[in-house]
Amino acid sequence: GEDVEQSLFLSVREGDSSVINCTYTDSSSTYLYWYKQEPGAGLQLLTYIFSNMDMKQDQRLTVLLNKKDKHLSLRIADTQTGDSAIYFCALVKGNTPLVFGKGTRLSVIA
Amino acid sequence: EAGVAQSPRYKIIEKRQSVAFWCNPISGHATLYWYQQILGQGPKLLIQFQNNGVVDDSQLPKDRFSAERLKGVDSTLKIQPAKLEDSAVYLCASSTNYEQYFGPGTRLTVT
Repeated sequence: GEDVEQSLFLSVREGDSSVINCTYTDSSSTYLYWYKQEPGAGLQLLTYIFSNMDMKQDQRLTVLLNKKDKHLSLRIADTQTGDSAIYFCALVKGNTPLVFGKGTRLSVIA
Repeated sequence: EAGVAQSPRYKIIEKRQSVAFWCNPISGHATLYWYQQILGQGPKLLIQFQNNGVVDDSQLPKDRFSAERLKGVDSTLKIQPAKLEDSAVYLCASSTNYEQYFGPGTRLTVT
């Protein structure tokens, strides 16, 4: 299977919370990232978490890491239409390059 | 702070033609990456430079792709000759420590 897996689509109503999930296979990953990609644009680094952390919060974003289940999630509170984009989970081990999932397309319904 | 710059933003060529992409990383970033992002996929690494030396080019199709980073700053990625399956977005990124920043990408269409 893929090294990093994500569900392809998520649809939420404006003002609700969004939770985007990611599972991975390499338990020795050191850093785990969330990137946002809007149409026609490059990838924007949203946040990242070190593997010795369980949670990281940054304004509307909360990252949860469950190392036992190899599961990473990104929660976006009070989701806005401007949050509509593709969200990529990525991870790195040591000096190896980033390995990306296929991305989750988030659609926010007004 | 200026971000990663790439040019051109779009390119359309016929198969068997050549094309080159340019990248200027964030000032002071020693590590530079080129990724290929095919529609509906996540980016995949083509080549990684540390200063002007190649760290990883294991996924670069060396029969047609080449890349260089002269003087450890700007980089160019070349495809010669292009194939239909090279149609993709080519992303350049640079990093310092644990944060990797991406440019806007070059969308290549091979007809």
